[in-house]
Amino acid sequence: AQSVTQLDSHVSVSEGTPVLLRCNYSSSYSPSLFWYVQHPNKGLQLLLKYTSAATLVKGINGFEAEFKKSETSFHLTKPSAHMSDAAEYFCVVSDQGGFKTIFGAGTRLFVKA
Amino acid sequence: DAEITQSPRHKITETGRQVTLACHQTWNHNNMFWYRQDLGHGLRLIHYSYGVQDTNKGEVSDGYSVSRSNTEDLPLTLESAASSQTSVYFCASSDQRTSNEKLFFGSGTQLSVL
Repeated sequence: AQSVTQLDSHVSVSEGTPVLLRCNYSSSYSPSLFWYVQHPNKGLQLLLKYTSAATLVKGINGFEAEFKKSETSFHLTKPSAHMSDAAEYFCVVSDQGGFKTIFGAGTRLFVKA
Repeated sequence: DAEITQSPRHKITETGRQVTLACHQTWNHNNMFWYRQDLGHGLRLIHYSYGVQDTNKGEVSDGYSVSRSNTEDLPLTLESAASSQTSVYFCASSDQRTSNEKLFFGSGTQLSVL
């Protein structure tokens, strides 16, 4: 069975400082892993996707995530936060066929000026 | 540009009423999904469809139904609305033919059941 745990419900950073949003997963087979972002009153938008190629995945808006199989983690990072990064972020695990997709509970990112 | 649209954006209804939420996509995607989003739960799958005339129950399907008569539309019906169904509902689609699991989301429908 698959599951995904986002370790922080809220993260607050200052503008210009690094961002770390943590995600652990479990899967009985090689999963696809995603990060989605949701801005207020909007649908979810794909940030990046891992599908067993390079373990360091680069996404849009300067975000990247590293797949660590030994730690079953897929943490999202960004070197320098921008005010426009304030949003909710979802870590997602899916089987290779996309037939079963599990969403984490979400992490709300606050960016202080 | 291709898109996925949901209507209405906001809906208030009374307990016991039947409500239908619309979802229309112009991506020509085979796969369509309905999720509900509640605080602390992320997104939970209600129903999904892999093509015309195909529908399947998701994690939280009780009290909901869908039908797929064409590629573009997957309406979600609440047979008898309950206060527990107050939520934000998202429709999504993906292209099974490319084995690309990327989901494209609509902007959501805020439903309040009073």
